[in-house]
Amino acid sequence: DGGITQSPKYLFRKEGQNVTLSCEQNLNHDAMYWYRQDPGQGLRLIYYSQIVNDFQKGDIAEGYSVSREKKESFPLTVTSAQKNPTAFYLCASSIGQGLGTEAFFGQGTRLTVV
Amino acid sequence: KQEVTQIPAALSVPEGENLVLNCSFTDSAIYNLQWFRQDPGKGLTSLLLIQSSQREQTSGRLNASLDKSSGRSTLYIAASQPGDSATYLCAVRPRAGGTSYGKLTFGQGTILTVHP
Repeated sequence: DGGITQSPKYLFRKEGQNVTLSCEQNLNHDAMYWYRQDPGQGLRLIYYSQIVNDFQKGDIAEGYSVSREKKESFPLTVTSAQKNPTAFYLCASSIGQGLGTEAFFGQGTRLTVV
Repeated sequence: KQEVTQIPAALSVPEGENLVLNCSFTDSAIYNLQWFRQDPGKGLTSLLLIQSSQREQTSGRLNASLDKSSGRSTLYIAASQPGDSATYLCAVRPRAGGTSYGKLTFGQGTILTVHP
C-alpha cells in the first residue's frame, strides 16, 4: 500500500525539549517537504529536499532541523529554539523532476506544547 | 515572491448546486498548479494537477481551469453533495530551473459546507 506515513499522529512537547516527527514514503519519490499549518495562515514551507543528502530551508526554517540520509525518510526535529511550535505538521513528497511532479501528503502530526 | 489568494474564504451552499472556487497567483512563471482537499484534522488529498501548458483538467464532478497569463485558476464542482464539505486549497509550483523550484506555495483555502 503506497503512500506517506507520518508518526506520531499526536505529540506533546514540554518547554525546552526537542522532539522529532517521522515521515516515511514508499513511493520512490526524490523530493520531500515539511509544512506547518496554523489556523488562518495556510501552509508554510519549513524545509524541503530534492535528493538524498541535500535539503534547503523554506520560509520558516528557524527552530527546525531535518536530515535526509535515506530516500524514504525525511524526519523533522522541532528544537527548543522554536518558540511557538504548537501546530499541525504535514509531510509531502513528489517525483521531483519532469512532467507531473504531483505532490502527495501524509496525514499529519499535531504537536502541542504542554 | 509568489503569493496565492483564494476567494471566497468560506462558502455554504445547498446540496445540488454547482459552484466555483477561485485561486489567483501573482507570478505567472509557474510549472504547475494543484488543487487539494483537506478534511478536518487530516492531511491533504490531491484532486487535480494542471501543467502550465494545459487549460483544464477534469476528474468526475470536478473541473479545474488555468489561465496562466492572468494568474487565475478555478475549481468547478458540479452537483455538490454533503460529502464535498471540506477545505479546498490550491498550490503553485514555480517554473523548473529556478532556485525556488520545488517550493509549493499555498493559498489559505476555501472552507466549503454543503448542507442537505
